[in-house]
Amino acid sequence: DIQMTQSPSSLSASVGDRVTITCRASQSISNYLNWYQQKPGKAPKLLISTTSSLQSGVPSRFSGSASGTDFTLTISSLQPEDFATYYCQQSYSSPDTFGQGTKVEIK
Amino acid sequence: QVQLQESGPGLVKPSETLSLTCIVSGGSISSYYWSWIRQPAGKGLEWIGRIYASGNTNYNPSLKSRVTMSVDTSKNQFSLKLSSLTAADTAVYYCAKGTRITILGVYYYYGMDVWGQGTTVTVAS
Repeated sequence: DIQMTQSPSSLSASVGDRVTITCRASQSISNYLNWYQQKPGKAPKLLISTTSSLQSGVPSRFSGSASGTDFTLTISSLQPEDFATYYCQQSYSSPDTFGQGTKVEIK
Repeated sequence: QVQLQESGPGLVKPSETLSLTCIVSGGSISSYYWSWIRQPAGKGLEWIGRIYASGNTNYNPSLKSRVTMSVDTSKNQFSLKLSSLTAADTAVYYCAKGTRITILGVYYYYGMDVWGQGTTVTVAS
């Protein structure tokens, strides 16, 4: 299985901050890396598919990028509604695997 | 706009088989892949597997011996069966939809863009 190592596991930030979450794959996954946002008691929501493709309706402050097997989710200016847990997921090779999640909390 | 709704028992006894169904509305079950994902309380997401409208499946090897997925195109729904349940199978179970492409005969899968609300399954006697 491909291991996805996500960091940090949690972070505290203020509204307006720039936030970066990283996910490292244990082997090449091409660009098949997806990012999800999950709020308490809710299903995950797909934010970005295939590294950098922003889903319809997702604010442009969210962006994704990659360097080799390192993938990054960036929130350019954190908003109150962005406090949530974020997961990366590789869909390149079965079984799909998720990172352990990053909880973004209010500072 | 495709919507998904999981249904099934909230409480199942150990050693029994869990059966969940995901009803697809607002779109056809064809041309997409359909996944099951679970999440124990307070923990991360675990991918269980996926099925395509044609019936092709991929299962998580950690669960493969206990998992069966099926699709019913006439009812626009797909199902999950998980056997030999233990307390470790207690979780919120989600169904989800995604898109796949084919490049030189190999399938590649995009992210899951529609999710059901989730159904809580407790394994207890």
